[in-house]
Amino acid sequence: EPEVTQTPSHQVTQMGQEVILRCVPISNHLYFYWYRQILGQKVEFLVSFYNNEISEKSEIFDDQFSVERPDGSNFTLKIRSTKLEDSAMYFCASSRDGGMSYTFGSGTRLTVV
Amino acid sequence: DAKTTQPNSMESNEEEPVHLPCNHSTISGTDYIHWYRQLPSQGPEYVIHGLTSNVNNRMASLAIAEDRKSSTLILHRATLRDAAVYYCILSAGLSNSNSGYALNFGKGTSLLVTP
Repeated sequence: EPEVTQTPSHQVTQMGQEVILRCVPISNHLYFYWYRQILGQKVEFLVSFYNNEISEKSEIFDDQFSVERPDGSNFTLKIRSTKLEDSAMYFCASSRDGGMSYTFGSGTRLTVV
Repeated sequence: DAKTTQPNSMESNEEEPVHLPCNHSTISGTDYIHWYRQLPSQGPEYVIHGLTSNVNNRMASLAIAEDRKSSTLILHRATLRDAAVYYCILSAGLSNSNSGYALNFGKGTSLLVTP
């Protein structure tokens, strides 16, 4: 069964550093998303991406965040200057049908120290 | 966004059916009902979705009340692998209909399956 692949599985970074989280969505999917889950809390929507542009973003997705689909297969989330409160699991997801069914990756655990 | 209400937790014996309820009294006519689950230390996993009619797939069945104000996810024979947090979510239509739907996760129901 096709999978959404995320790398790395765990990243530790120092506060203020930039991180790039990588995702390879399912190849025939057109809609891409990032979500995050702070430990013990709900899964929160960050951003959706369609037709090579951001289509919607939440209040969490401020200027320190950016997304890119650099080469037609990868989908990345960049956090420019990490803060302690950015520590969370970050999930990439993709959908062929515009959100009726998503496939999520296994996540990247980001720890900011 | 229309909200859903689910019990915090439920418990089931292995190989027995499980009925996970969800109330969504403020659902709009165009909202789809989605169910996802999240196994420990994993990303959410699609289970099923529906609009008005009951739905079946290889994982589960979704029973939707006639007034659509509630629904029930049915696992026909629970296994230990079904222990997870189950989320009932109404599709949150985005401003641009071409952009797909963001999922608004709540706290879900934590299902414990005992041997």
